Amino acid sequence: TQLLEQSPQFLSIQEGENLTVYCNSSSVFSSLQWYRQEPGEGPVLLVTVVTGGEVKKLKRLTFQFGDARKDSSLHITAAQPGDTGLYLCAGYTMIKAAGNKLTFGGGTRVLVKP
Amino acid sequence: EPEVTQTPSHQVTQMGQEVILRCVPISNHLYFYWYRQILGQKVEFLVSFYNNEISEKSEIFDDQFSVERPDGSNFTLKIRSTKLEDSAMYFCASREGGWSYEQYFGPGTRLTVT
Repeated sequence: TQLLEQSPQFLSIQEGENLTVYCNSSSVFSSLQWYRQEPGEGPVLLVTVVTGGEVKKLKRLTFQFGDARKDSSLHITAAQPGDTGLYLCAGYTMIKAAGNKLTFGGGTRVLVKP
Repeated sequence: EPEVTQTPSHQVTQMGQEVILRCVPISNHLYFYWYRQILGQKVEFLVSFYNNEISEKSEIFDDQFSVERPDGSNFTLKIRSTKLEDSAMYFCASREGGWSYEQYFGPGTRLTVT
């Protein structure tokens, strides 16, 4: 069973502070995706990282894929109340011609207080 | 922007009844998925579907579950005889295909079994 562990489970910060969310596994992932989920809604895709060591930026969000492709991080600079939500990492452990199920982490709930 | 849609948004059913959850994937996508999320738990893979057949299924996806693409646009999940433990959010997702990694999720159907 491939597991993705996210830490911390919950993060509460003040507006303007920075935060980092981690996603770790003992397995190698061929790619990792980060989603954001609002209560009662489906996960919304933020970014996909594929190459070991890859860094992608989405405005104030920076995503990094570990060199060994076993871990990833999401860093938010100068967090705003609109960044509040549940952040999920999900990955593919292998690529097949069909299928490619995603394994999800447990999520990090982020609360940004004004 | 194309999106995955799901109906109904909320379904209440009695134990032992059959339910059909409906999804319309993004039109040019070739791979389709069902996931579920029990309240407070991780998003879990149920089944993947490609070229009109199941390509992978999880242990959760037992004989009570079936999927179908009846008309080239809809993708359905049927639970033949619902149990209390089937209560969850059910998410449909689709992927374009080839080496495209991104899975796009619908808003979900909340299934409540009483």
